[in-house]
Amino acid sequence: GDSVTQMEGPVTLSEEAFLTINCTYTATGYPSLFWYVQYPGEGLQLLLKATKADDKGSNKGFEATYRKETTSFHLEKGSVQVSDSAVYFCALSRNSASKIIFGSGTRLSIRP
Amino acid sequence: DAGVTQSPTHLIKTRGQQVTLRCSPKSGHDTVSWYQQALGQGPQFIFQYYEEEERQRGNFPDRFSGHQFPNYSSELNVNALWLGDSALYLCASSTPGTSEYNEQFFGPGTRLTVL
Repeated sequence: GDSVTQMEGPVTLSEEAFLTINCTYTATGYPSLFWYVQYPGEGLQLLLKATKADDKGSNKGFEATYRKETTSFHLEKGSVQVSDSAVYFCALSRNSASKIIFGSGTRLSIRP
Repeated sequence: DAGVTQSPTHLIKTRGQQVTLRCSPKSGHDTVSWYQQALGQGPQFIFQYYEEEERQRGNFPDRFSGHQFPNYSSELNVNALWLGDSALYLCASSTPGTSEYNEQFFGPGTRLTVL
């Protein structure tokens, strides 16, 4: 069945460092891919998405490119801030009516 | 415009008891999905309701059941609680629509602790 594997955490970086969180998926066809973020004490929020191969999703300085050839959707940010500290989930879905399959999450902590 | 709301925020139950969690979808949304998020894990899909019917179901036992009301709000019921049911229960709402992808909006969750 479909699955998502993401980099284990926790990840600790200094402010203004470059961030990469790796994510790979297993699925047939062309699922939609997502990154969700969960800030402390809050619900899940969609950070960015890509719905077809080679699409790049971007939001709040974060980017991820849908790579069909490597079945990957790595999350990157050029310069992280303390406010980016949260848990990040990579996820996939077949279509708008379908369940979302999540990775196990990566906790990110940014030091001032 | 209120987003997805869930109640209660926190709940403590003992083994063997039953629990009901509630969810009100975002305005204009008619589809509700429920997820279980164990500590340190990603959310796992429980089931989805549309037009008051269960449309999809994940790998959860029959102890987990749900309902959707005509106003699109939904309940999640869990019978015969055991310790492993302790988790954050998330509700997400969406509308099928005709566009390529319609975002599922998540509520803040209900934290269930089973003692």
